[in-house]
Amino acid sequence: GAVVSQHPSRVICKSGTSVKIECRSLDFQATTMFWYRQFPKQSLMLMATSNEGSKATYEQGVEKDKFLINHASLTLSTLTVTSAHPEDSSFYICSARADTGELFFGEGSRLTVL
Amino acid sequence: AQTVTQSQPEMSVQEAETVTLSCTYDTSESDYYLFWYKQPPSRQMILVIRQEAYKQQNATENRFSVNFQKAAKSFSLKISDSQLGDAAMYFCACSNTGNQFYFGTGTSLTVIP
Repeated sequence: GAVVSQHPSRVICKSGTSVKIECRSLDFQATTMFWYRQFPKQSLMLMATSNEGSKATYEQGVEKDKFLINHASLTLSTLTVTSAHPEDSSFYICSARADTGELFFGEGSRLTVL
Repeated sequence: AQTVTQSQPEMSVQEAETVTLSCTYDTSESDYYLFWYKQPPSRQMILVIRQEAYKQQNATENRFSVNFQKAAKSFSLKISDSQLGDAAMYFCACSNTGNQFYFGTGTSLTVIP
């Protein structure tokens, strides 16, 4: 089946630094990918919709200058958390929608900002 | 806009028994999809089952089946012969023919040996 790979799975960084998370669709092309944030024992909160070749669409309340999204190809989207602070520590999940309509998820990336 | 409601934050079931997880949704779309996703402790979301709204027949995948009541906007998941590996968070989701997915708040399922 379709697979979405997310990297890194865990990252620890110092406050003020930037962190990049990659999301790749391994065996299908995805013109649209999604980035979510999940707090412990809570549901997924959609942050933004990443569109290949165009600007991402951010959900209300999500700072686009803080969470930079680049969808450079049909198989790769990146999320960069800029000038990270401890409150940005969270579990970030990407997903990609296949032609069947099914949404495939990456393994998630746990970000810890010290 | 679409909303998905899971009214059971936690559920438990004895191993080998059957459990039903509830989900209701609200959408103005005429064409949409419904999903149940499982999130085990490893945290990766895994598709359990999907249902196209235009299909009247309830979807079934091995021990997992749904009770899709379109008029009532209800989409419950039944897990038969529960196994220890079924323990996870379960999320109900609704998607229209566009790209938006809407998730419920999840139900934490515990399987008791």
